[in-house]
Amino acid sequence: KAGVTQTPRYLIKTRGQQVTLSCSPISGHRSVSWYQQTPGQGLQFLFEYFSETQRNKGNFPGRFSGRQFSNSRSEMNVSTLELGDSALYLCASSAGTGYYRFFGPGTRLTVL
Amino acid sequence: QQPVQSPQAVILREGEDAVINCSSSKALYSVHWYRQKHGEAPVFLMILLKGGEQKGHEKISASFNEKKQQSSLYLTASQLSYSGTYFCGTEVMGTSYDKVIFGPGTSLSVIP
Repeated sequence: KAGVTQTPRYLIKTRGQQVTLSCSPISGHRSVSWYQQTPGQGLQFLFEYFSETQRNKGNFPGRFSGRQFSNSRSEMNVSTLELGDSALYLCASSAGTGYYRFFGPGTRLTVL
Repeated sequence: QQPVQSPQAVILREGEDAVINCSSSKALYSVHWYRQKHGEAPVFLMILLKGGEQKGHEKISASFNEKKQQSSLYLTASQLSYSGTYFCGTEVMGTSYDKVIFGPGTSLSVIP
């Protein structure tokens, strides 16, 4: 099976801009989770989608949003970028509850 | 809700053993263990479910004490390839299935 793919791999944006990141899960996986990873904060949970529905949400401001399409591909959007949004954004797919996550390679976002 | 991991960091010589611990204040449905090498995505090692089921790599062993909400990852006869940051992730019973929250990580360095 092909792994989890994320695009783009690298992004450089300036403060105030918005960005959209994409994640394609492993074929057959319907659950997609997003995480923000920074050196000081570890892996922070953003949200989780299953069958186009957001089932779980982390403690991030409303500038962070996401969606999932009928083919399970997911996007996350960050509006009005701040310097502190610079991070590695990881998505992980799974077959559901009680199954492990497969992580994608991540998108490295740099906000200048 | 974030699980607690200990130790924060450990240095081993090849062939030595190590134990990494993870604990939660909430009743858990599952505990996940991942290893992340520098510049790479986290890789699945083991998942332990309430009720005793375990899925993972043959060479990895772990335990889950459901009464204490504690899990331990056992690394025996360590190899240089074991170096990396180990994360435990937890799913809380009842309200947060498929919301895997990760601990801060344990940095493991294996030296010759």
